[in-house]
Amino acid sequence: GENVEQHPSTLSVQEGDSAVIKCTYSDSASNYFPWYKQELGKRPQLIIDIRSNVGEKKDQRIAVTLNKTAKHFSLHITETQPEDSAVYFCAASGGSYIPTFGRGTSLIVHP
Amino acid sequence: EAGVAQSPRYKIIEKRQSVAFWCNPISGHATLYWYQQILGQGPKLLIQFQNNGVVDDSQLPKDRFSAERLKGVDSTLKIQPAKLEDSAVYLCASSLNSNEKLFFGSGTQLSVL
Repeated sequence: GENVEQHPSTLSVQEGDSAVIKCTYSDSASNYFPWYKQELGKRPQLIIDIRSNVGEKKDQRIAVTLNKTAKHFSLHITETQPEDSAVYFCAASGGSYIPTFGRGTSLIVHP
Repeated sequence: EAGVAQSPRYKIIEKRQSVAFWCNPISGHATLYWYQQILGQGPKLLIQFQNNGVVDDSQLPKDRFSAERLKGVDSTLKIQPAKLEDSAVYLCASSLNSNEKLFFGSGTQLSVL
C-alpha cells in the first residue's frame, strides 16, 4: 500500500517568515495530494490540494508543489501569522483510492 | 451545507466494555471513511466505504472492530471488547467520490480505562 513520509515533525518560525513542509510518497499511481490543517481540538480541514497533472498550485499565502518523478510534494506558507499555528497533514491517494496521511507537522508561529 | 455529523463527542469506558460510534455524512457523498487518530499522530484509515460496499478494511482489527454503512448513508463503528490501546479520536469523513477532498466530522474522543 501507499506510504507517506512527512518532515519536519515540528517547525518553529517567527511571524512573517516562510514555512515549508515536505512529504514523500511511495505509490507512483497516486494522483491526488491534499493538505489538511488541524487546530488544537478541532477537525482537520482541507487548505489546498493538487492533482498529478499540475506541478504547482497557489492560493494567497499558501502554495503546493509536486514533483512526480521524485515522488514528493511540499506545502509553502509565506508571511506566516500566529493563526497559522496548527498541525498540518499531507495525504496521497490514487492507485488504490485510499487516502494515506503523513504523521503531521506541528507549526508554531511566534509573534 | 450541513457538515459531517458524529456522535457521541466524548466517551469513557472501561476495558473489555463495548462502544459504538455513529456518523452521518454530507448528503450525496458516496465515500465514507473511519479514521483512528492517536495523539500526536496522523489519521490512520480503519475502513472506507463506497456507497454501502467496503473499499478497504485492511487495517481494521476485525477481531474487535466492526463497521457498517446502512443503505449507503449513515455508518456505525463498534468496538467490542475495548482495549486500553483503543484510546484515540475516531474521525468520520466523507467525500463526493474517491480521490476527492475529505470533509471530517468533529470526532469522538474515546478513553478506555
